[in-house]
Amino acid sequence: KNEVEQSPQNLTAQEGEFITINCSYSVGISALHWLQQHPGGGIVSLFMLSSGKKKHGRLIATINIQEKHSSLHITASHPRDSAVYICAVKDDYKLSFGAGTTVTVRA
Amino acid sequence: EAEVAQSPRYKITEKSQAVAFWCDPISGHATLYWYRQILGQGPELLVQFQDESVVDDSQLPKDRFSAERLKGVDSTLKIQPAELGDSAMYLCASSLRYTERGEPVYNEQFFGPGTRLTVL
Repeated sequence: KNEVEQSPQNLTAQEGEFITINCSYSVGISALHWLQQHPGGGIVSLFMLSSGKKKHGRLIATINIQEKHSSLHITASHPRDSAVYICAVKDDYKLSFGAGTTVTVRA
Repeated sequence: EAEVAQSPRYKITEKSQAVAFWCDPISGHATLYWYRQILGQGPELLVQFQDESVVDDSQLPKDRFSAERLKGVDSTLKIQPAELGDSAMYLCASSLRYTERGEPVYNEQFFGPGTRLTVL
């Protein structure tokens, strides 16, 4: 069983809709990352958080350490948000990655 | 803005051939990571360097894969001989490392664009 589980695996939304991606993990962590990967492969770090909530533009990330759960929300989704969103947890020096959620936003 | 550089971006090779990938981390980043990402899965750590030393290569298939970072700056990952199952995206990342109360702390990782390998 993977240490990091993401849901859903795939998500299709209409432009403007609110999107939520979930991440659950089973190990103790020092931080959790949300990453974005566009077709072509490059990975961009969206958030690194260890408690509470962070917001950047239309993106919001929350984490509940006690429940070992994090969510990534996209408000007012846009076709350019279409990408794979990956949750990764950090213990000491190592990152363990989820399999990713493929998000497609239709105009 | 500083970026992690990788080359080539794409590589097609036949099985049993040798391939090599290059990574140049962000200047000043002492920690360098090589990941393999199979289609539909998250990245998997192959090897981690701290300066020129290997910190973790427990998941590196050492019979065919090798990695080096001779001067503690750029790094090369080699596969010889390549097999069909090696087809994947190979990602390089780098991060800062500092010491807090005597313990190492690894900062946020920055990823390169990756090298997509296809083995025929």
